[in-house]
Amino acid sequence: DTAVSQTPKYLVTQMGNDKSIKCEQNLGHDTMYWYKQDSKKFLKIMFSYNNKELIINETVPNRFSPKSPDKAHLNLHINSLELGDSAVYFCASSLLRGRGNEQFFGPGTRLTVL
Amino acid sequence: QKEVEQNSGPLSVPEGAIASLNCTYSDRGSQSFFWYRQYSGKSPELIMFIYSNGDKEDGRFTAQLNKASQYVSLLIRDSQPSDSATYLCAVYSGGGADGLTFGKGTHLIIQP
Repeated sequence: DTAVSQTPKYLVTQMGNDKSIKCEQNLGHDTMYWYKQDSKKFLKIMFSYNNKELIINETVPNRFSPKSPDKAHLNLHINSLELGDSAVYFCASSLLRGRGNEQFFGPGTRLTVL
Repeated sequence: QKEVEQNSGPLSVPEGAIASLNCTYSDRGSQSFFWYRQYSGKSPELIMFIYSNGDKEDGRFTAQLNKASQYVSLLIRDSQPSDSATYLCAVYSGGGADGLTFGKGTHLIIQP
């Protein structure tokens, strides 16, 4: 009974393409996040989303856009993919936003841009 | 810029011994502190969180926080080979994208 799920698990695509990664959580959490883990295993926040409020890490290119159809889903759309976008993308969720936000991670999507 | 620093290791510990993992953070306003374990090719798994100065124990794990020194540590007692993984220290400071700031992780190896 998966708490935070992502699809697909692997995504291989060509430069310039547009792709999406889906994320769903069944924990009843209010806040969802996207993180990027690069080839050096460094995990960095990209977005957080809570109650229709999106907070964006200023370093994230505007080719990346999260979309939330409802509280349980936060999908990641990426336009005009570049080689440097190759990484593992993790979705996470937490019950609260702020101080008490223990975050639970999905299994990750490994994106390879050729 | 908020930073979280960890020794990348590898840290090698004999089975049954205590593994000690350390982390320092730069933002004095940081509010909550987390330890995640990540096996190779897997996602980070939350194992401990701590909000107040002092120690917090959960089974074989103890998290220690010293806000004055901006220092967080994780002790693993009776280390098992299954504890071999990368341990990520994460800090919540608010602001920015309102997520966690992670260290680069310490690779722990428990030797049978």
